[in-house]
Amino acid sequence: ETGVTQTPRHLVMGMTNKKSLKCEQHLGHNAMYWYKQSAKKPLELMFVYNFKEQTENNSVPSRFSPECPNSSHLFLHLHTLQPEDSALYLCASSPTRDSTDTQYFGPGTRLTVL
Amino acid sequence: GQNIDQPTEMTATEGAIVQINCTYQTSGFNGLFWYQQHAGEAPTFLSYNVLDGLEEKGRFSSFLSRSKGYSYLLLKELQMKDSASYLCAVNAGGSYIPTFGRGTSLIVHP
Repeated sequence: ETGVTQTPRHLVMGMTNKKSLKCEQHLGHNAMYWYKQSAKKPLELMFVYNFKEQTENNSVPSRFSPECPNSSHLFLHLHTLQPEDSALYLCASSPTRDSTDTQYFGPGTRLTVL
Repeated sequence: GQNIDQPTEMTATEGAIVQINCTYQTSGFNGLFWYQQHAGEAPTFLSYNVLDGLEEKGRFSSFLSRSKGYSYLLLKELQMKDSASYLCAVNAGGSYIPTFGRGTSLIVHP
């Protein structure tokens, strides 16, 4: 238990569906992150939020839309996804954006796009 | 750009010692992380090295040589539960976001 929770843990969706992933951290951190983890590939950073403001968008397609209503919650809205978007989506948080801060990861949402 | 290289897979015997290497070529260097990730679970923090040398934490130790762009994670007295993926991540240059390697899948067998 890392203090970061993600729901759902598993999601299967068609290419025309709209769904959302949710992340919540109970650590009082100010920075939150979305990562994509595909088989045999490094973790890919998608988005970074600091004090609810988006500070990084790592050239992510617009079919992925993040939302951060407060420092404890982070969402990833999904629409018209492609089969190659199937992956494990990890949320993480850290106390600040400082490079020495450890990131605490959630267990991830395993997404399958049919 | 940043390049981080680690072996894809390693196997070892319960009770033995294993060393997982990580080499990196980056623009600048701030620090290097090691994370452990069991299948279907969150990556969890193991160590963070900023200065050269060996840091020991129980059965796990992490070594860094900045001049060689090289780190290793040393696991002693291996247990079956150590079977997991081990991720090397480097903070470099002006970025506060670590760049991750592909991870090394360690299989511990009896």
